[in-house]
Amino acid sequence: DIQMTQSPSSLSASVGDRVTITCQASQDITNYLNWYQQKPGKAPKLLIYDASNLEAGVPSRFSGSGSGTDFTFTISYLQPEDIATYYCQQYDHLPRFGGGTKVEIK
Amino acid sequence: EVQLVESGGGLVQPGRSLRLSCTGSGFTFGDYAMSWVRQAPGKGLEWVGSIRYKAYGGTAEYAASVKGRFIISRDDSKSIAYLQMNSVKTEDTAIYYCTRGWGDGYRYWGQGTLVTVSS
Repeated sequence: DIQMTQSPSSLSASVGDRVTITCQASQDITNYLNWYQQKPGKAPKLLIYDASNLEAGVPSRFSGSGSGTDFTFTISYLQPEDIATYYCQQYDHLPRFGGGTKVEIK
Repeated sequence: EVQLVESGGGLVQPGRSLRLSCTGSGFTFGDYAMSWVRQAPGKGLEWVGSIRYKAYGGTAEYAASVKGRFIISRDDSKSIAYLQMNSVKTEDTAIYYCTRGWGDGYRYWGQGTLVTVSS
């Protein structure tokens, strides 16, 4: 069973800041890693698929990188509408989500 | 437009059963795997299980937390996926989302249906 360790669990940043979230898999998952944004009371929204591919319609300030066991999700300049919880999710075998990162405005 | 609509949630007593439905529209339902993801109050997302499309065997896989208690099935003629929840526990209390696909990018989600397990 592949475990996903996501960090930090929460962060506070200012508008315009660069925000970075990491996700570590317990074993090699090549690039089978997706990133989601979830706002309160809403279903999650796919932002990045296969580690680094931007989903259609998603602003280019969102990006992802990594392969193997270590992955990074970046918001290049934080906007007020980016306040949400972000999740990584692997699908190398059975899908599994990371614990989530709650992003707040400082 | 792809739409997924869950139904069947509600209050259920521990040890009892409940069946959730997910009705899809706007796409050829039988061509896709379907998955269930849940979220306990104030907690993160948890993959519950997925069912493959028929051409890929139509079999299902489950998270360890529900294996042996939950069953996912599908009726492609009605464009419905089901989550049969048996022997429910208080820790099964959550919003249950239906989503399209196996895990390779859940692009489409339903609005979720709340299941509360309580006596």
